[in-house]
Amino acid sequence: AQSVSQHNHHVILSEAASLELGCNYSYGGTVNLFWYVQYPGQHLQLLLKYFSGDPLVKGIKGFEAEFIKSKFSFNLRKPSVQWSDTAEYFCAVTSLYNNNDMRFGAGTRLTVKP
Amino acid sequence: NAGVTQTPKFQVLKTGQSMTLQCAQDMNHEYMSWYRQDPGMGLRLIHYSVGAGITDQGEVPNGYNVSRSTTEDFPLRLLSAAPSQTSVYFCASRPGGSTDTQYFGPGTRLTVL
Repeated sequence: AQSVSQHNHHVILSEAASLELGCNYSYGGTVNLFWYVQYPGQHLQLLLKYFSGDPLVKGIKGFEAEFIKSKFSFNLRKPSVQWSDTAEYFCAVTSLYNNNDMRFGAGTRLTVKP
Repeated sequence: NAGVTQTPKFQVLKTGQSMTLQCAQDMNHEYMSWYRQDPGMGLRLIHYSVGAGITDQGEVPNGYNVSRSTTEDFPLRLLSAAPSQTSVYFCASRPGGSTDTQYFGPGTRLTVL
């Protein structure tokens, strides 16, 4: 089965700094990739997703992610973070083999200092 | 639309007790799922359903039962709670295909003593 690794457990940035959160998956076949965000006290919500086409995907709130198939990666980026981006970020994957089985990474907690 | 709702928000059980976590959605979504979230482990899929009457196991199904008698409801049953089931439980739904956006409920925080 596929699995997801998020190597950054806790990232602390100052406002206006650039963000890149790493996500690697282990599955050799066709995958669908997602980034979810969980703001303090709120539901998980979808930031962006990739399933085909342009490997550079733009999501809500200025986030983007790039799918690099050769590196099995789907890193999340934002050029300039805000205090309101403080949240936990989860990368997730489903495979073409079983697209009902979504696997999540352990999550990365982002703290943005004002 | 209320989206995905879960009850209760908090629950404390003693080892061996049983209980049902409720999940409902009013978006007519075919796919529903249950996850547990543990520190440092992200979300792990417990069970899922692709429609009324159809359920299947996810990554960590042991100790949990589900059924799907209607499109709207997808309850999760703990038959004999164990401390290892202390976790935050999330229900989610999506219209159908795996590329559809999945919507999550607010979660149920369960403690088993």
